[in-house]
Amino acid sequence: GNSVTQMEGPVTLSEEAFLTINCTYTATGYPSLFWYVQYPGEGLQLLLKATKADDKGSNKGFEATYRKETTSFHLEKGSVQVSDSAVYFCALSEVGSNYKLTFGKGTLLTVNP
Amino acid sequence: SQTIHQWPATLVQPVGSPLSLECTVEGTSNPNLYWYRQAAGRGLQLLFYSVGIGQISSEVPQNLSASRPQDRQFILSSKKLLLSDSGFYLCAWSVSGQGADTQYFGPGTRLTVL
Repeated sequence: GNSVTQMEGPVTLSEEAFLTINCTYTATGYPSLFWYVQYPGEGLQLLLKATKADDKGSNKGFEATYRKETTSFHLEKGSVQVSDSAVYFCALSEVGSNYKLTFGKGTLLTVNP
Repeated sequence: SQTIHQWPATLVQPVGSPLSLECTVEGTSNPNLYWYRQAAGRGLQLLFYSVGIGQISSEVPQNLSASRPQDRQFILSSKKLLLSDSGFYLCAWSVSGQGADTQYFGPGTRLTVL
């Protein structure tokens, strides 16, 4: 079956530091890949997505590239802000599974001023 | 634009009591609908999904059930709550057909069973 593995947190950074959160996946076909963000006490917000190999998703300074050869979708941001503190989830969706989302366990990011 | 609502936002219920959580979507027709649970310190677990009125698929056997009485309404229920039902319940929707791979989440309901 499908699975998503993302780096375990928590991750603590200083403001303006570079962020990488690793995500790798296992899927039987050609999934779409997503990063969602969850701020404290809230639901999940779609951060970015990519639907095919070598696609780059980007939003709010965050980027992730769909790497089929390494089955990875790492999240990066060049300069984090305190407001980026949240839990980040990597996920995949595949047509063969009725588009059900398979999530990683989430990575808690804390950015200190 | 599309919006998704969940209520109540928070709920405290005694063990053995019934449960009804509601989710509604506005601004779209015939959406796919999903219920997830997020237990403390854990990831998200898909509970139910629906591709149309009266069509419910269950992912995990448990004492919860779901219903879809109207096109844009999704209800999560239980006849008798357990302590283990505590968690953060999230409803999500996606379009049907092309674009169905992307789900959008509601604000969630935090349920505490005492």
